[in-house]
Amino acid sequence: DIQMTQSPSSLSASVGDRVTITCRASQGITRSLAWYQQKPGKVPKLLIYAASILESGVPSRFSGSGSGTDFTLTISSLQPEDVATYYCQKYNNAPRTFGQGTKVEIK
Amino acid sequence: QAQLVESGGGLVKPGGSLRLSCAASGFTFSDYYMGWIRQAPGKGLEWVSYISSGGTVIYYSDSVKGRFTISRDNAKNSLYLQINSLTAEDTAVFFCAGGPTSGAFHIWGQGTTVTVSS
Repeated sequence: DIQMTQSPSSLSASVGDRVTITCRASQGITRSLAWYQQKPGKVPKLLIYAASILESGVPSRFSGSGSGTDFTLTISSLQPEDVATYYCQKYNNAPRTFGQGTKVEIK
Repeated sequence: QAQLVESGGGLVKPGGSLRLSCAASGFTFSDYYMGWIRQAPGKGLEWVSYISSGGTVIYYSDSVKGRFTISRDNAKNSLYLQINSLTAEDTAVFFCAGGPTSGAFHIWGQGTTVTVSS
């Protein structure tokens, strides 16, 4: 099975900072990758699919890139409401594995 | 608006069974692939199972294969997960989720909690 590894596991940044989260697949998954945001005590929310397509209603400060095995989620200017855990997920085939998550906090 | 509402969770003894349900509204359920995702207390998201829009393609994670059964009734706009032979490691919030074409989960329910304890 393909493993999904996110880095870092957690990060602390200041409001307005550019934040980058990486997701690496153990084998190529073309662009079949999604990013989700889960705020504390809330339901996960889709941010990006097909590696770089922004879900409707998601702020434009979120962006995704990558293909094959290496993917990136970028928050261009971190806001207080972005405090959450972020997960990547592959969906090219089964199992549709999630990464272990990256917890983002405000410094 | 599009909505998914899970039900059927609860406290069950080890070895027991439950049937989780997910009621869909506000979108054409029969056009959506669906899945179940679970989250153990304080842990990350774990993909559990997938079913295609017509119900003909089904996948399970290795951790639940042979114990869990996913199904859907498009006439009732409902998704189900039969969970058997439960252990403490199955204690989690179970989310149903789905999408139309991309493969990602665009819509999520609020979750239903399964607690396995004697």
